[in-house]
Amino acid sequence: KAGVTQTPRYLIKTRGQQVTLSCSPISGHRSVSWYQQTPGQGLQFLFEYFSETQRNKGNFPGRFSGRQFSNSRSEMNVSTLELGDSALYLCASSGGLAGGGKNEQFFGPGTRLTVL
Amino acid sequence: KQEVTQIPAALSVPEGENLVLNCSFTDSAIYNLQWFRQDPGKGLTSLLLIQSSQREQTSGRLNASLDKSSGRSTLYIAASQPGDSATYLCAVGDTGRRALTFGSGTRLQVQP
Repeated sequence: KAGVTQTPRYLIKTRGQQVTLSCSPISGHRSVSWYQQTPGQGLQFLFEYFSETQRNKGNFPGRFSGRQFSNSRSEMNVSTLELGDSALYLCASSGGLAGGGKNEQFFGPGTRLTVL
Repeated sequence: KQEVTQIPAALSVPEGENLVLNCSFTDSAIYNLQWFRQDPGKGLTSLLLIQSSQREQTSGRLNASLDKSSGRSTLYIAASQPGDSATYLCAVGDTGRRALTFGSGTRLQVQP
């Protein structure tokens, strides 16, 4: 079974631009979560989607948004980029009840975003 | 607000040693606890998942324990190998938010 895939793997943007990151979960998984990883703050939860609905949101500004499609693929968008948005963005999928209710999270390789 | 602490922050051991990584959390109302491994610049690899009703899980040379009442988990690595060198992250899943709260990790180096 293929793992979680994220595209692109690397991105370089300038301040003020916007960016869209994509995540394809493990086949059959309906929950997709996004995390930001920085050296200073570590791993922080951004939001979680299940069946095209955002179920939870972390403490990030409204510039960070996401969506999920009917095939469970998810996109994350960051508008008006700031230098501090430079980070590794990780996507995780879980099977929920399909996974025996364990909610085990499986992570993709991440997208490295650099804002200049 | 859940807080997760991992001790030590870094650890260097010679090959073959058995070692213990520690994780503590402040809110015992957890759904599960997951241990991950992260290699530099890479994503996270799930090592072990412990449900809140379980006390321990084992996979190969790895054993993770959970004591919810005291807010502690340990990851035991037997007979360490240079390939075990990585950062190990502990993450707690809470009952409501379906989000993981991560510790800052333990950076492990196993010397050949």
